[in-house]
Amino acid sequence: AQSVSQHNHHVILSEAASLELGCNYSYGGTVNLFWYVQYPGQHLQLLLKYFSGDPLVKGIKGFEAEFIKSKFSFNLRKPSVQWSDTAEYFCAVKMNTGFQKLVFGTGTRLLVSP
Amino acid sequence: DAGVTQSPTHLIKTRGQQVTLRCSPKSGHDTVSWYQQALGQGPQFIFQYYEEEERQRGNFPDRFSGHQFPNYSSELNVNALLLGDSALYLCASSLGGDRAQPQHFGDGTRLSIL
Repeated sequence: AQSVSQHNHHVILSEAASLELGCNYSYGGTVNLFWYVQYPGQHLQLLLKYFSGDPLVKGIKGFEAEFIKSKFSFNLRKPSVQWSDTAEYFCAVKMNTGFQKLVFGTGTRLLVSP
Repeated sequence: DAGVTQSPTHLIKTRGQQVTLRCSPKSGHDTVSWYQQALGQGPQFIFQYYEEEERQRGNFPDRFSGHQFPNYSSELNVNALLLGDSALYLCASSLGGDRAQPQHFGDGTRLSIL
């Protein structure tokens, strides 16, 4: 069965620090990969997605993620975080065939101190 | 352009009761998926509806059932409620059934079982 692992459950950073959140998945076939963000009191929002092509994808608010197929990883990065990035971040995977579910990781709660 | 709307926002039930949650997809979307998010966990896939049929189901018992209407809106029904059913129930909509399109999430319904 598919699974997604997010290694960091809680991350605390100061403003302007760099961010990298790890995500690994277990599935040998073709996948679509997503990062969602949930700001306090808000719904899950799509941050970025990878379907095919360039493995380095750019999303909203300066976030990017790199798909490394050989490592089954899709890590999220941001060079300089802001206080407004405080949120919970979820990595999700979907098999690229037919009607398939999104499988989520357990999430990483990021706190950025001003 | 309306996003995904869910009702009610909060609900309190007792064990053994039945509950119905409702979802209206984002304008233009025809596929609805339901997820359960327990505290401290990532969303877990319940099922997905497209063209008024259940297309994919996660590892949830038959007490969880759903329906999609001709206008693409959807209901999630849970019978014989258990304490463990307390969670945030998320509805997500997308376009095109089995095509690889991102899912857009609603704010969720917080269900508490006493």
